[in-house]
Amino acid sequence: EDKVVQSPLSLVVHEGDTVTLNCSYEVTNFRSLLWYKQEKKAPTFLFMLTSSGIEKKSGRLSSILDKKELFSILNITATQTGDSAIYLCAVEGRTSGTYKYIFGTGTRLKVLA
Amino acid sequence: NAGVTQTPKFQVLKTGQSMTLQCAQDMNHNSMYWYRQDPGMGLRLIYYSASEGTTDKGEVPNGYNVSRLNKREFSLRLESAAPSQTSVYFCASSPHSLEGTGYTFGSGTRLTVV
Repeated sequence: EDKVVQSPLSLVVHEGDTVTLNCSYEVTNFRSLLWYKQEKKAPTFLFMLTSSGIEKKSGRLSSILDKKELFSILNITATQTGDSAIYLCAVEGRTSGTYKYIFGTGTRLKVLA
Repeated sequence: NAGVTQTPKFQVLKTGQSMTLQCAQDMNHNSMYWYRQDPGMGLRLIYYSASEGTTDKGEVPNGYNVSRLNKREFSLRLESAAPSQTSVYFCASSPHSLEGTGYTFGSGTRLTVV
């Protein structure tokens, strides 16, 4: 059965701290892994990863994929209160001829001032 | 603004009532999806439509039906609502299910069934 597991489930840090969020997966015919940030409403896209070892970076956020060990990490450096959100990992796999994304349960991050 | 529009944003139903959640996208995307999000369960796929004229069951289809009315619109219907269907519902779209480009999500519908 395809699955995506995120850890930790929740995390509380102080502003300025660095955090690492984890996403491990078992998916049939893997094609891509996505990270989303969800604040109060809809998830917003952060990164798409398809190749191992290539870091994607956007400001203080970065992410990398390991297709051999089947996991990805999302790093946030110098955290700010605005980083407080649920971070979702979604993995794209193919079953019955169609690609679909399977989502993890998310990591709830709270950054304290 | 281009994107995915869901209506209504909030809804309270009594057990046994029916309703339809509407979703429309103006990005000319081929594929559309309905997810529900529950605490501790993440986003779970209810139904999807890989292209206009096709619909398929996702992970949790029981109690729901969908209609891909045209390329823009994909509706989700609850025929006889149950308290277990209390959830936040998200519609999403992507250019094509065979292109790994990620989703664009609507802002969600918070449904409560009492």
